[in-house]
Amino acid sequence: DADVTQTPRNRITKTGKRIMLECSQTKGHDRMYWYRQDPGLGLRLIYYSFDVKDINKGEISDGYSVSRQAQAKFSLSLESAIPNQTALYFCATSDLTLAGTNEQFFGPGTRLTVL
Amino acid sequence: SQKIEQNSEALNIQEGKTATLTCNYTNYSPAYLQWYRQDPGRGPVFLLLIRENEKEKRKERLKVTFDTTLKQSLFHITASQPADSATYLCALRTNAGKSTFGDGTTLTVKP
Repeated sequence: DADVTQTPRNRITKTGKRIMLECSQTKGHDRMYWYRQDPGLGLRLIYYSFDVKDINKGEISDGYSVSRQAQAKFSLSLESAIPNQTALYFCATSDLTLAGTNEQFFGPGTRLTVL
Repeated sequence: SQKIEQNSEALNIQEGKTATLTCNYTNYSPAYLQWYRQDPGRGPVFLLLIRENEKEKRKERLKVTFDTTLKQSLFHITASQPADSATYLCALRTNAGKSTFGDGTTLTVKP
């Protein structure tokens, strides 16, 4: 089973609709992240959470909200979707290990299209 | 403002040659720098990390250098293979725990 899963994998929605993207992890990591990726561009951080009670805005949080329901679950919501939110969305996790690589483990991505 | 720049154009090389990818940054003091590989439609996969006090790191055919004076990291793949074709992302990470990613360089290795 995959360590980081995202649902749905693909979603087409209409402008103005509310949509939720879900992320679950079995790695036992405290830190979770949501990124979006647009064609030919790198990853931009939307929100991140270092533990269940900690939520922080990233560089492009406007139009998005998140919920950390448990250590293993981190959801991203678009309250009123607009076409320029069409993108590939990735969830990632990491662990705080000062001596380690602090690598992020990414989910498979959710391809969202807003018409 | 903070900026991360990778090779702006795609890199095409012949199998067996060494690929060299560049990551430059400005207005940033990273604690360490990571390199990831991303295949089309998939999430990035971690390859290597190098810390600010390290000059060079190696892993099999991969080598990363980090020059904090030049504010540059170089990523080398020696004896490249068609299977190395992918997009490679550099990410700067501070001790605060956030990462900022570059836009990536797409590498194509031709047989």
